[in-house]
Amino acid sequence: GAGVSQSPRYKVAKRGQDVALRCDPISGHVSLFWYQQALGQGPEFLTYFQNEAQLDKSGLPSDRFFAERPEGSVSTLKIQRTQQEDSAVYLCASSYRAEQFFGPGTRLTVL
Amino acid sequence: AQKVTQAQTEISVVEKEDVTLDCVYETRDTTYYLFWYKQPPSGELVFLIRRNSFDEQNEISGRYSWNFQKSTSSFNFTITASQVVDSAVYFCALSEARNTDKLIFGTGTRLQVFP
Repeated sequence: GAGVSQSPRYKVAKRGQDVALRCDPISGHVSLFWYQQALGQGPEFLTYFQNEAQLDKSGLPSDRFFAERPEGSVSTLKIQRTQQEDSAVYLCASSYRAEQFFGPGTRLTVL
Repeated sequence: AQKVTQAQTEISVVEKEDVTLDCVYETRDTTYYLFWYKQPPSGELVFLIRRNSFDEQNEISGRYSWNFQKSTSSFNFTITASQVVDSAVYFCALSEARNTDKLIFGTGTRLQVFP
Protein backbone atom coordinates (compact mmCIF):
# COMPACT_ATOMS: atom_id res chain seq x y z
CA GLY A 1 0.00 0.00 0.00
CA ALA A 2 1.06 3.57 -0.60
CA GLY A 3 -0.26 5.05 2.64
CA VAL A 4 1.22 5.63 6.09
CA SER A 5 1.29 2.45 8.13
CA GLN A 6 1.57 2.05 11.88
CA SER A 7 2.18 -0.93 14.09
CA PRO A 8 0.93 -2.35 16.27
CA ARG A 9 -2.65 -1.20 15.75
CA TYR A 10 -3.49 -2.03 19.37
CA LYS A 11 -1.25 -2.25 22.38
CA VAL A 12 -2.15 -3.07 25.96
CA ALA A 13 0.52 -2.36 28.54
CA LYS A 14 0.70 -2.68 32.28
CA ARG A 15 1.52 0.49 34.11
CA GLY A 16 5.28 0.88 34.29
CA GLN A 17 6.05 -1.03 31.11
CA ASP A 18 7.92 0.48 28.18
CA VAL A 19 6.28 0.52 24.75
CA ALA A 20 7.50 1.25 21.22
CA LEU A 21 5.20 2.38 18.43
CA ARG A 22 6.30 2.24 14.81
CA CYS A 23 5.45 4.47 11.88
CA ASP A 24 6.24 3.78 8.21
CA PRO A 25 5.69 7.00 6.27
CA ILE A 26 4.89 7.35 2.60
CA SER A 27 8.05 6.80 0.60
CA GLY A 28 9.82 10.04 -0.19
CA HIS A 29 8.01 12.15 2.39
CA VAL A 30 10.56 14.28 4.17
CA SER A 31 8.37 15.44 7.06
CA LEU A 32 6.96 13.19 9.74
CA PHE A 33 4.71 14.10 12.66
CA TRP A 34 3.44 12.31 15.76
CA TYR A 35 0.16 13.25 17.41
CA GLN A 36 -1.66 12.00 20.50
CA GLN A 37 -5.45 11.74 20.44
CA ALA A 38 -7.23 11.22 23.74
CA LEU A 39 -10.75 9.84 23.72
CA GLY A 40 -13.24 12.42 22.46
CA GLN A 41 -10.57 14.98 21.71
CA GLY A 42 -8.75 16.28 18.66
CA PRO A 43 -5.21 15.13 17.93
CA GLU A 44 -2.48 17.03 19.74
CA PHE A 45 0.98 17.56 18.31
CA LEU A 46 3.85 15.68 19.92
CA THR A 47 6.90 15.98 17.70
CA TYR A 48 8.15 16.67 14.17
CA PHE A 49 11.00 15.34 12.04
CA GLN A 50 12.46 16.62 8.83
CA ASN A 51 14.39 13.65 7.46
CA GLU A 52 16.33 12.33 10.47
CA ALA A 53 16.41 15.63 12.32
CA GLN A 54 13.93 16.15 15.14
CA LEU A 55 13.13 19.83 14.70
CA ASP A 56 10.32 20.25 17.19
CA LYS A 57 9.57 18.16 20.26
CA SER A 58 7.66 20.81 22.14
CA GLY A 59 4.55 18.65 22.40
CA LEU A 60 6.12 15.67 24.15
CA PRO A 61 4.36 15.59 27.55
CA SER A 62 7.27 14.37 29.61
CA ASP A 63 10.79 12.99 29.41
CA ARG A 64 9.26 9.51 29.36
CA PHE A 65 8.40 10.14 25.72
CA PHE A 66 11.12 9.76 23.13
CA ALA A 67 10.97 9.65 19.33
CA GLU A 68 13.56 8.83 16.71
CA ARG A 69 13.89 8.55 12.96
CA PRO A 70 17.50 7.46 12.51
CA GLU A 71 17.54 7.00 8.73
CA GLY A 72 14.98 9.59 7.80
CA SER A 73 12.29 7.06 7.02
CA VAL A 74 10.73 4.78 9.67
CA SER A 75 10.07 6.45 13.01
CA THR A 76 9.58 4.99 16.47
CA LEU A 77 7.81 6.64 19.37
CA LYS A 78 8.89 5.17 22.68
CA ILE A 79 7.12 5.67 25.98
CA GLN A 80 8.96 4.59 29.10
CA ARG A 81 7.31 3.60 32.38
CA THR A 82 3.82 3.99 30.94
CA GLN A 83 1.12 5.64 33.05
CA GLN A 84 -2.65 5.41 32.74
CA GLU A 85 -2.83 8.94 31.38
CA ASP A 86 -0.76 7.77 28.40
CA SER A 87 -3.78 5.79 27.16
CA ALA A 88 -4.70 7.32 23.81
CA VAL A 89 -4.46 6.80 20.07
CA TYR A 90 -1.07 7.74 18.69
CA LEU A 91 -1.22 9.02 15.14
CA CYS A 92 1.63 9.36 12.71
CA ALA A 93 1.51 11.58 9.64
CA SER A 94 3.91 12.20 6.81
CA SER A 95 3.70 15.19 4.59
CA TYR A 96 4.58 16.54 1.23
CA ARG A 97 4.08 20.22 0.51
CA ALA A 98 2.09 20.93 3.67
CA GLU A 99 -0.54 18.22 3.17
CA GLN A 100 -0.35 15.67 5.97
CA PHE A 101 -1.35 12.07 5.34
CA PHE A 102 -2.27 10.16 8.47
CA GLY A 103 -1.83 6.54 9.39
CA PRO A 104 -4.53 4.46 11.12
CA GLY A 105 -3.02 5.04 14.55
CA THR A 106 -1.98 2.83 17.43
CA ARG A 107 -4.47 2.57 20.27
CA LEU A 108 -2.53 2.29 23.52
CA THR A 109 -4.31 1.16 26.66
CA VAL A 110 -2.39 1.27 29.92
CA LEU A 111 -3.87 -0.82 32.71
CA ALA B 1 -1.77 31.93 20.73
CA GLN B 2 -3.13 29.60 18.10
CA LYS B 3 -6.46 27.99 18.76
CA VAL B 4 -9.25 26.27 16.86
CA THR B 5 -12.77 26.18 18.24
CA GLN B 6 -15.51 23.85 17.06
CA ALA B 7 -18.42 24.77 19.27
CA GLN B 8 -20.73 22.05 17.98
CA THR B 9 -19.93 18.82 19.80
CA GLU B 10 -22.51 16.69 18.04
CA ILE B 11 -25.01 17.20 15.23
CA SER B 12 -27.73 14.82 14.12
CA VAL B 13 -29.55 15.15 10.83
CA VAL B 14 -31.76 13.04 8.62
CA GLU B 15 -30.49 11.98 5.24
CA LYS B 16 -30.76 14.60 2.49
CA GLU B 17 -30.67 17.50 4.92
CA ASP B 18 -27.97 20.12 4.53
CA VAL B 19 -25.65 20.62 7.50
CA THR B 20 -23.00 23.21 8.35
CA LEU B 21 -20.09 22.55 10.68
CA ASP B 22 -18.62 25.66 12.27
CA CYS B 23 -14.95 26.43 12.82
CA VAL B 24 -13.43 29.54 14.38
CA TYR B 25 -9.68 30.02 14.63
CA GLU B 26 -7.20 32.31 16.34
CA THR B 27 -3.71 33.12 15.13
CA ARG B 28 -1.34 36.06 15.15
CA ASP B 29 0.30 35.04 11.90
CA THR B 30 -0.64 36.52 8.55
CA THR B 31 0.37 33.38 6.70
CA TYR B 32 -1.42 30.24 7.78
CA TYR B 33 -3.34 27.26 6.46
CA LEU B 34 -6.72 25.90 7.40
CA PHE B 35 -7.80 22.29 7.00
CA TRP B 36 -10.74 20.00 7.39
CA TYR B 37 -10.31 16.30 8.14
CA LYS B 38 -12.88 13.53 8.41
CA GLN B 39 -12.43 10.72 10.95
CA PRO B 40 -14.80 7.81 10.27
CA PRO B 41 -15.33 5.04 12.84
CA SER B 42 -12.28 3.23 11.45
CA GLY B 43 -10.19 6.00 13.02
CA GLU B 44 -8.04 7.12 10.11
CA LEU B 45 -8.01 10.86 9.47
CA VAL B 46 -9.00 11.64 5.89
CA PHE B 47 -7.87 14.94 4.36
CA LEU B 48 -10.71 16.98 2.86
CA ILE B 49 -9.34 20.44 2.10
CA ARG B 50 -6.50 22.89 2.69
CA ARG B 51 -6.88 26.63 2.36
CA ASN B 52 -4.17 29.26 2.66
CA SER B 53 -4.79 32.57 4.37
CA PHE B 54 -4.51 34.57 1.17
CA ASP B 55 -7.23 32.72 -0.66
CA GLU B 56 -10.70 33.60 0.59
CA GLN B 57 -12.50 32.16 -2.36
CA ASN B 58 -15.15 29.69 -1.36
CA GLU B 59 -14.73 26.19 -2.65
CA ILE B 60 -17.17 23.54 -3.74
CA SER B 61 -16.34 19.88 -4.26
CA GLY B 62 -19.36 17.78 -5.05
CA ARG B 63 -21.66 17.89 -2.03
CA TYR B 64 -19.01 19.63 0.07
CA SER B 65 -18.44 23.37 0.25
CA TRP B 66 -16.29 25.60 2.42
CA ASN B 67 -16.79 29.22 3.43
CA PHE B 68 -13.63 31.03 4.53
CA GLN B 69 -14.13 34.48 6.07
CA LYS B 70 -11.07 36.21 7.49
CA SER B 71 -13.18 39.04 8.90
CA THR B 72 -14.79 36.61 11.35
CA SER B 73 -11.87 34.12 11.52
CA SER B 74 -14.17 31.35 10.41
CA PHE B 75 -13.81 28.43 8.05
CA ASN B 76 -17.16 26.67 7.94
CA PHE B 77 -17.93 23.41 6.16
CA THR B 78 -21.28 22.57 4.57
CA ILE B 79 -22.47 19.18 3.41
CA THR B 80 -25.39 19.36 1.01
CA ALA B 81 -27.90 16.52 0.82
CA SER B 82 -26.18 14.56 3.59
CA GLN B 83 -25.85 10.78 3.37
CA VAL B 84 -25.42 8.09 5.99
CA VAL B 85 -21.81 7.61 4.83
CA ASP B 86 -21.08 11.17 5.93
CA SER B 87 -21.42 10.06 9.56
CA ALA B 88 -18.05 10.71 11.17
CA VAL B 89 -16.16 13.12 13.38
CA TYR B 90 -14.99 16.18 11.50
CA PHE B 91 -11.96 18.17 12.59
CA CYS B 92 -10.95 21.66 11.63
CA ALA B 93 -7.23 22.42 11.94
CA LEU B 94 -4.77 25.29 11.62
CA SER B 95 -1.09 25.41 10.78
CA GLU B 96 1.18 28.41 10.73
CA ALA B 97 3.74 28.70 7.98
CA ARG B 98 6.47 29.76 10.41
CA ASN B 99 5.77 26.92 12.82
CA THR B 100 6.97 23.70 11.18
CA ASP B 101 3.53 23.00 9.69
CA LYS B 102 2.31 21.24 12.80
CA LEU B 103 -1.46 21.06 12.92
CA ILE B 104 -3.54 22.50 15.73
CA PHE B 105 -6.87 20.72 15.82
CA GLY B 106 -10.23 21.65 17.19
CA THR B 107 -12.08 19.20 19.40
CA GLY B 108 -14.15 17.93 16.50
CA THR B 109 -17.84 17.75 15.62
CA ARG B 110 -19.52 14.36 15.55
CA LEU B 111 -22.02 14.20 12.70
CA GLN B 112 -24.65 11.51 12.70
CA VAL B 113 -26.79 11.14 9.60
CA PHE B 114 -29.85 8.96 10.05
CA PRO B 115 -31.64 7.24 7.18
